[in-house]
Amino acid sequence: AQSVTQLGSHVSVSEGALVLLRCNYSSSVPPYLFWYVQYPNQGLQLLLKYTSAATLVKGINGFEAEFKKSETSFHLTKPSAHMSDAAEYFCAVSEGGSTLGRLYFGRGTQLTVWP
Amino acid sequence: SQTIHQWPATLVQPVGSPLSLECTVEGTSNPNLYWYRQAAGRGLQLLFYSVGIGQISSEVPQNLSASRPQDRQFILSSKKLLLSDSGFYLCAWNPGAGETQYFGPGTRLLVL
Repeated sequence: AQSVTQLGSHVSVSEGALVLLRCNYSSSVPPYLFWYVQYPNQGLQLLLKYTSAATLVKGINGFEAEFKKSETSFHLTKPSAHMSDAAEYFCAVSEGGSTLGRLYFGRGTQLTVWP
Repeated sequence: SQTIHQWPATLVQPVGSPLSLECTVEGTSNPNLYWYRQAAGRGLQLLFYSVGIGQISSEVPQNLSASRPQDRQFILSSKKLLLSDSGFYLCAWNPGAGETQYFGPGTRLLVL
């Protein structure tokens, strides 16, 4: 079965600092991996997606994530945080080869950006 | 392009009252459809998913039910709401396995 662990329910950084949000997954087959962002009282928006084409995936708003199979990780990074990055971030995994399209989500990480 | 709608945006209901939340998708056919609930501090909980008209799979036992009367319409219902049903309800769709899920704007439900 698939599962996702997001280390740290809350992360705080200063504006301009590196953002690092951690995600580890478990999957019995090569997975598809996703990062979503959620602003208050809104739905989830896709940041980026890994589908085995390249291990380093670039997304919107300057975010990127690296797939590391040996570490079963898919950490999200951004070199320089902006105030507008403050939101909740969710990592998700989908089982590759499955006939279903369901995703398994982590519990989320709330990112706070200090001026 | 595809769009997903949810309504109402906000709902306040008394305990024991019925519930009907609607989700519709435009611009695609035969989507997979999903209902999630977010309760404070508890992340996203998958409630139901559907791969076709009349096909509903339930993830957790509860007093909620779902129906898919049309290809692009997904309805979440309850006969009698509980306080614990309060939360933010999100509908999502995707074309199939391994594909990105696209989320609606959500419905905030408060049961008093």
